[in-house]
Amino acid sequence: AQRVTQPEKLLSVFKGAPVELKCNYSYSGSPELFWYVQYSRQRLQLLLRHISRESIKGFTADLNKGETSFHLKKPFAQEEDSAMYYCALSGGSNYKLTFGKGTLLTVNP
Amino acid sequence: ETGVTQSPTHLIKTRGQQVTLRCSSQSGHNTVSWYQQALGQGPQFIFQYYREEENGRGNFPPRFSGLQFPNYSSELNVNALELDDSALYLCASSPGGQAKLFFGSGTQLSVL
Repeated sequence: AQRVTQPEKLLSVFKGAPVELKCNYSYSGSPELFWYVQYSRQRLQLLLRHISRESIKGFTADLNKGETSFHLKKPFAQEEDSAMYYCALSGGSNYKLTFGKGTLLTVNP
Repeated sequence: ETGVTQSPTHLIKTRGQQVTLRCSSQSGHNTVSWYQQALGQGPQFIFQYYREEENGRGNFPPRFSGLQFPNYSSELNVNALELDDSALYLCASSPGGQAKLFFGSGTQLSVL
């Protein structure tokens, strides 16, 4: 069974502070991990995926298979980063995504 | 390039009724997935269609059914609506064989 856990429902930081959104997963095979983001009044969109190993809007995420984690990090948070963040896992051939419950990030001025 | 569009945006139904939700996939995408997002939860996979065939299904009862048309647009049908079916229904399209999904804005369904 696939499961994604985001332990923090809410996360509040000040502008310029580092931010880390936690994601842990459970999957017996080799997963593909994603972070999706939903800004206010916008649709859900892909932020980054682990296989591309890229940095988007200053965010990075490293897949740690030993700890089964895929935490999202940014060294200096900006107010425009305030949004709902969902960690998601894909396993198997039909690319079904299993989402976590999401973390609402608020970056205060 | 046209993104994923869903209709209607909002819908109110009563328990026991049937509902059809519609989705137009992004240009060039032949795979459509449907997700249910209850309040305070992450999206939950309902099923996926690839080239007009169901290609995977989540833990939803048979009264949730779907279709994909030759132009890759899709419908989600729910029969015998229950109060717990109240949720945001998201459609997502992708090019075949890729896990990168492009989401629509969703249909908010309320069952009274």
